[in-house]
Amino acid sequence: KNEVEQSPQNLTAQEGEFITINCSYSVGISALHWLQQHPGGGIVSLFMLSSGKKKHGRLIATINIQEKHSSLHITASHPRDSAVYICAVRVSGTSYGKLTFGQGTILTVHP
Amino acid sequence: ETGVTQSPTHLIKTRGQQVTLRCSSQSGHNTVSWYQQALGQGPQFIFQYYREEENGRGNFPPRFSGLQFPNYSSELNVNALELDDSALYLCASSLDNSYGYTFGSGTRLTVV
Repeated sequence: KNEVEQSPQNLTAQEGEFITINCSYSVGISALHWLQQHPGGGIVSLFMLSSGKKKHGRLIATINIQEKHSSLHITASHPRDSAVYICAVRVSGTSYGKLTFGQGTILTVHP
Repeated sequence: ETGVTQSPTHLIKTRGQQVTLRCSSQSGHNTVSWYQQALGQGPQFIFQYYREEENGRGNFPPRFSGLQFPNYSSELNVNALELDDSALYLCASSLDNSYGYTFGSGTRLTVV
């Protein structure tokens, strides 16, 4: 079993819909990242969380440390949101910045 | 403020050859991590360099090696290439091994 699991693996939505992507992890962490990867391969960091909730534009990320779970929400989705969304954690106790990644969620938003 | 730059963007090599990939870290960052992302998979940690020293390594064989230079740019070298080395190689930089990372666009390596 992977240390970081995301669901769903694939998600299709119509423009304007509210989207939720989930991430569960089985290890102690010091931080959790939500990342966006477009077909060209480059990764953009969306959020880094260690507790609570963060919001940036139409994106909201939450984390529940006790339940070892995080969610990424996209409000009023748009076709330009189509990308792979990846959850990654920094495991507690590591002396260096190794990130452990989930397998990613492929999001397609249709006009 | 410049981001992370990786070169080349694409590369085709023959099995058994050697390859060098390059990464220029974001201005002000002194830590570089390298990841391998096979098709359809999440990135896997290869190693990290902090102030020119390797300070962490994932489950990759010794034929994967690296360097970090005084300007904090970095190289990833892979010897005796195998077909399974075909992947997107990502570089990420940060400051003092902090939690914030900036990723490059990656180098797509194809081994034939």
